Amino acid sequence: NAGVMQNPRHLVRRRGQEARLRCSPMKGHSHVYWYRQLPEEGLKFMVYLQKENIIDESGMPKERFSAEFPKEGPSILRIQQVVRGDSAAYFCASSPPSGGTSGAYEQYFGPGTRLTVT
Amino acid sequence: AQRVTQPEKLLSVFKGAPVELKCNYSYSGSPELFWYVQYSRQRLQLLLRHISRESIKGFTADLNKGETSFHLKKPFAQEEDSAMYYCALKATGANNLFFGTGTRLTVIP
Repeated sequence: NAGVMQNPRHLVRRRGQEARLRCSPMKGHSHVYWYRQLPEEGLKFMVYLQKENIIDESGMPKERFSAEFPKEGPSILRIQQVVRGDSAAYFCASSPPSGGTSGAYEQYFGPGTRLTVT
Repeated sequence: AQRVTQPEKLLSVFKGAPVELKCNYSYSGSPELFWYVQYSRQRLQLLLRHISRESIKGFTADLNKGETSFHLKKPFAQEEDSAMYYCALKATGANNLFFGTGTRLTVIP
């Protein structure tokens, strides 16, 4: 099992361009989470998806950001018209379908995509 | 609202010395607490969770609801413990994790 895969690892975009970040969950995992880490800050939750469904997007900025997790293929975090403030590390995590009887579960993290907006 | 505080950004200890990484949380319900670790050039990985009450790599953490703390402890630090450590909280019924800002631990040989 290769673990959670993210690509690209580094992405440079000019202001106003679009950024597409991809995440392939671990085999057998159907839950995907996106987090953003700004410099000197902890990871902040953005969105939680299951296949073809957005379950919780309470952490997503209201504009320019969108996420999807299609039936086939990776989950994609899309940022339109990027601005310098979007520069950050974006982490994807996946978890198995069941949280178990305790409700606790483990999220497995990808290596992250470092987005730089110039 | 949930909040996780790790008051120390940097912590240095000598090899063999005890280490304690502090984590305090703010949450009105009954939380699930986790410690994640990120070694150099590796991805973030789960170190331990409070409900397991287990010791991983010599580390333990006890949930203290009275003090709203979940400090990570190890009696004798090793050089390979040098890493970034994040405390995280999962609220009841939530799916996501709330992370602290992390503590970078350096173990001096």
